[in-house]
Amino acid sequence: NAGVMQNPRHLVRRRGQEARLRCSPMKGHSHVYWYRQLPEEGLKFMVYLQKENIIDESGMPKERFSAEFPKEGPSILRIQQVVRGDSAAYFCASSSNTGEVDTGELFFGEGSRLTVL
Amino acid sequence: QKEVEQNSGPLSVPEGAIASLNCTYSDRGSQSFFWYRQYSGKSPELIMFIYSNGDKEDGRFTAQLNKASQYVSLLIRDSQPSDSATYLCAVRGGSYIPTFGRGTSLIVHP
Repeated sequence: NAGVMQNPRHLVRRRGQEARLRCSPMKGHSHVYWYRQLPEEGLKFMVYLQKENIIDESGMPKERFSAEFPKEGPSILRIQQVVRGDSAAYFCASSSNTGEVDTGELFFGEGSRLTVL
Repeated sequence: QKEVEQNSGPLSVPEGAIASLNCTYSDRGSQSFFWYRQYSGKSPELIMFIYSNGDKEDGRFTAQLNKASQYVSLLIRDSQPSDSATYLCAVRGGSYIPTFGRGTSLIVHP
């Protein structure tokens, strides 16, 4: 399966712990997006990355949240000192965003559902 | 602040009817427009994209775009119970970052 892979699918943390969410983009895609979705709400943009580069992190809280997409390995969204309000589904998506093949379509992973106790 | 507005619904239609889903956006520089479908507990999947004013048809789905009115819609003909889902409108400008609406819940009842 060459789709977007996210893990873990479900993660339970206690307040104050750290959460690490991983995302491997679709084969051939070099652009990764992270979105957060609360129940009954749409997708809220958090961060847009290319390999080794954060393009736009305007949607990400300034504190406790960080993201990376290293040269090798998956993209990681890290949440430090989690609070109950961080409980949500975190979706990763990838796209090609290159020239003629760019339709703008995002290919989503199955999401990581974080529960903070 | 770029905004994408959708009526949250639910929109309830009988099987076989036409479902009409609407979306407005605030950024006049938007260039690309997308409709995604999301089943409960699942990830969004693309149904259609449209770039130019007018209609674009794909099977039972028709996307309509009016840039002057900053309005995009999705029509689903011959609605089926399997179409019951949340439909997310997304809009993208030059930043390559799609902005999503809250979604409209569609219920197709037999």
